[in-house]
Amino acid sequence: GAGVSQSPSNKVTEKGKDVELRCDPISGHTALYWYRQSLGQGLEFLIYFQGNSAPDKSGLPSDRFSAERTGGSVSTLTIQRTQQEDSAVYLCASSILGETQYFGPGTRLLVL
Amino acid sequence: QKEVEQDPGPLSVPEGAIVSLNCTYSNSAFQYFMWYRQYSRKGPELLMYTYSSGNKEDGRFTAQVDKSSKYISLFIRDSQPSDSATYLCAMSARTGGFKTIFGAGTRLFVKA
Repeated sequence: GAGVSQSPSNKVTEKGKDVELRCDPISGHTALYWYRQSLGQGLEFLIYFQGNSAPDKSGLPSDRFSAERTGGSVSTLTIQRTQQEDSAVYLCASSILGETQYFGPGTRLLVL
Repeated sequence: QKEVEQDPGPLSVPEGAIVSLNCTYSNSAFQYFMWYRQYSRKGPELLMYTYSSGNKEDGRFTAQVDKSSKYISLFIRDSQPSDSATYLCAMSARTGGFKTIFGAGTRLFVKA
């Protein structure tokens, strides 16, 4: 039984570069979430996809951040023109409807 | 005021102690209450899930929800060094599409 997977597990990039983070949710889960977790901090909500509904983008910190979900399954979080303050762990979670979420291992992003 | 308040700790206890972790919240619409455990450099893992008020027990873990006081608790009996982790409370409501709000997490250390 595969859980939520994320890739890459670690990403080091230079300031100003674009990065793409990938999330493969649990099969059959219609809800998908992206969160950001900075060192020693709680989870910061970024974006939420539920089925075919328009995503809730209310947590995206700037227009450099975007996400898409293709075919109701795989999702990609893109950060354009990365800044040092973007360094964090990016976590993806999926859920059947949204009431309980199952998390992936995260992608650790370091912007130099 | 944050929607969910959680003392970040750290909380240090001897092996075998009973641990009490707590969160308060302000949104009376919350219906689903979760506790997640997060080990260092791992994604959060769903530990307990409770709908509405009441108690739920699973092995050494007991979750309590008091909606009248807007207060939730997680008790760990006979704590073990392997319980050392960060514990995050989380809650959501069907209204608003199950957008989940997380507490900041409490770091727990169980000393052998």
